[in-house]
Amino acid sequence: DIQMTQAPYSLSASVGDRVTINCRASQGIRNDLDWYQQKPGKAPKRLIYVASSLQSGVPARFSGSGSGTEFSLTISSLQPEDFATYYCLQHNSYPRTFGQGTKVEIK
Amino acid sequence: EVQLLESGGGLVQPGGSLRLSCAASGFTFSSYAMSWVRQAPGKGLEWVSDISGSGDSTFYADSVKGRFTISRDNSKNTLYLQMNSLRAEDTAVYYCAEAVGYSYGVHWGQGTLVTVSS
Repeated sequence: DIQMTQAPYSLSASVGDRVTINCRASQGIRNDLDWYQQKPGKAPKRLIYVASSLQSGVPARFSGSGSGTEFSLTISSLQPEDFATYYCLQHNSYPRTFGQGTKVEIK
Repeated sequence: EVQLLESGGGLVQPGGSLRLSCAASGFTFSSYAMSWVRQAPGKGLEWVSDISGSGDSTFYADSVKGRFTISRDNSKNTLYLQMNSLRAEDTAVYYCAEAVGYSYGVHWGQGTLVTVSS
């Protein structure tokens, strides 16, 4: 099975900050990686698919990059509504695996 | 508008069974692979199972293989998850979703809570 390791586990940031979350796959997964945002009590929302494609309707301050084993999600200027937990998901092979999540909190 | 509405969650004793349903609307259900994803209280997301649009292909997480069965009735636009031999560690909110990892895999239901406890 492919293991997905996300870092950091949590971070504190201020509105306007640039934030980067990283995800490492235990083996190469090409660009078969998506990023999700989840707010408390809500279903996850897909932000980025195939590593770098922005989901329709998602603000352009979100971007994704990477391929192979190293991936990142960047929020260029953190907004109040961005405080949430973020997950990566590999869909290169079964079983699908999520990263452990990164909680973005207000500093 | 795409809608996915889960039902069937509740309290069940260890070793018991439960069947979750997910009623789909707003899209051509039979053309879409579907997923179940769960989230234990205070924990992260865990992919559980996928099924192809026709229902011919199914995939499971090791943690549920042999105990859970995913199925679908395309005539009723409904996805199912039959859960047997339930354990405390199966306690979670269960989400149905358009197959995660697919290009169209955007929509999720609101989730249904399954609690396994005596």
